[in-house]
Amino acid sequence: QKEVEQNSGPLSVPEGAIASLNCTYSDRGSQSFFWYRQYSGKSPELIMSIYSNGDKEDGRFTAQLNKASQYVSLLIRDSQPSDSATYLCAVNRSWNNNDMRFGAGTRLTVKP
Amino acid sequence: SAVISQKPSRDICQRGTSLTIQCQVDSQVTMMFWYRQQPGQSLTLIATANQGSEATYESGFVIDKFPISRPNLTFSTLTVSNMSPEDSSIYLCSVEGPVESSTDTQYFGPGTRLTVL
Repeated sequence: QKEVEQNSGPLSVPEGAIASLNCTYSDRGSQSFFWYRQYSGKSPELIMSIYSNGDKEDGRFTAQLNKASQYVSLLIRDSQPSDSATYLCAVNRSWNNNDMRFGAGTRLTVKP
Repeated sequence: SAVISQKPSRDICQRGTSLTIQCQVDSQVTMMFWYRQQPGQSLTLIATANQGSEATYESGFVIDKFPISRPNLTFSTLTVSNMSPEDSSIYLCSVEGPVESSTDTQYFGPGTRLTVL
């Protein structure tokens, strides 16, 4: 079992729709969770971090965490073509909070 | 967040040679990391660059192949030694910090795109 799993996609949504990106992780003791966006040919940029169960909203982005289910998701409301990118889920290992593991990423395409 | 630069941004190298990649941060940071991202793949941690001591390598990566230095809290280098075409990849530096914070969030440099012929 991979430490961090994501659907590779591609995920295609129309402009203005809600894009839902999902991630599961295997280390039950993990405490820190991150979503990064990576445009083609660029390095990952941080979108959000989340540490507590529930929802965390930042503009059009909402991260959701359920530690009991070992599940974290990212919702993008009012999706724009500029949101088209690969979204990486990252989780810190519980025994080493500086040790971040990445999922394979979900490629999102927002069609005008 | 800190401003991170990497040099070179890209290079094309011959098999059997070595390349040193530099990572410079505009502020002191607690942790610096080196990742590899092969074409179409996600990020794989190579090692944690420890200031003043030897780097901590992940399984599958060894110091002879990927020597790392971190002489201070703002700078690190990664050398890719005796290169083969399989080393063609994007190499990314990331940092966690600044030193006065307790954040565990990592921020990435722009990356170095390496092609080995």
